[in-house]
Amino acid sequence: AQSVSQHNHHVILSEAASLELGCNYSYGGTVNLFWYVQYPGQHLQLLLKYFSGDPLVKGIKGFEAEFIKSKFSFNLRKPSVQWSDTAEYFCALRREGDYKLSFGAGTTVTVRA
Amino acid sequence: GAGVSQSPSNKVTEKGKDVELRCDPISGHTALYWYRQSLGQGLEFLIYFQGNSAPDKSGLPSDRFSAERTGGSVSTLTIQRTQQEDSAVYLCASSLLAGLDEQFFGPGTRLTVL
Repeated sequence: AQSVSQHNHHVILSEAASLELGCNYSYGGTVNLFWYVQYPGQHLQLLLKYFSGDPLVKGIKGFEAEFIKSKFSFNLRKPSVQWSDTAEYFCALRREGDYKLSFGAGTTVTVRA
Repeated sequence: GAGVSQSPSNKVTEKGKDVELRCDPISGHTALYWYRQSLGQGLEFLIYFQGNSAPDKSGLPSDRFSAERTGGSVSTLTIQRTQQEDSAVYLCASSLLAGLDEQFFGPGTRLTVL
């Protein structure tokens, strides 16, 4: 079995601040990793994904994430947040060759103008 | 193009009633997934389809839950004799191929069992 842990339940920050959301997983095999975002009243959207190759992946809206295999981590970052980044963020894992996603509990991010 | 659609968007039902939730995946996507998002449980996998077959039903919480997919397209999740603990947002996702691609999610159906 594998589990996904997101360190922060709720993060509150001001516009232009930097954001880093932690994600760790507990599976020793090859994984595909994802960050999804759910804006208020909207459905889950993919921010970025890691399958293989360069461990630093860039996604939409200025987000990036770094896969560190030795730490079983896939933290999400954004250098300067905007009010519109207020949303819930989910880290998800899929074992290579598997079909289902296992999600973390999610982190609610509130950006104050 | 059109994304994943789900209907109804909201469903309120009485305990003991049966409900059907519908999912229309993105055209051409062969894989379809059902997840449930509830307070305290987060997002949990229920079942997936490759074509019309459901190779893994182990995520379904009880035998009151069933799902089918017809024509390699529309899927229906049925919950019989609903219980209050079934209250949740039921999400559908689709992908080109199971296990190889990103999953695209629909807006969900919010089910409330009174």
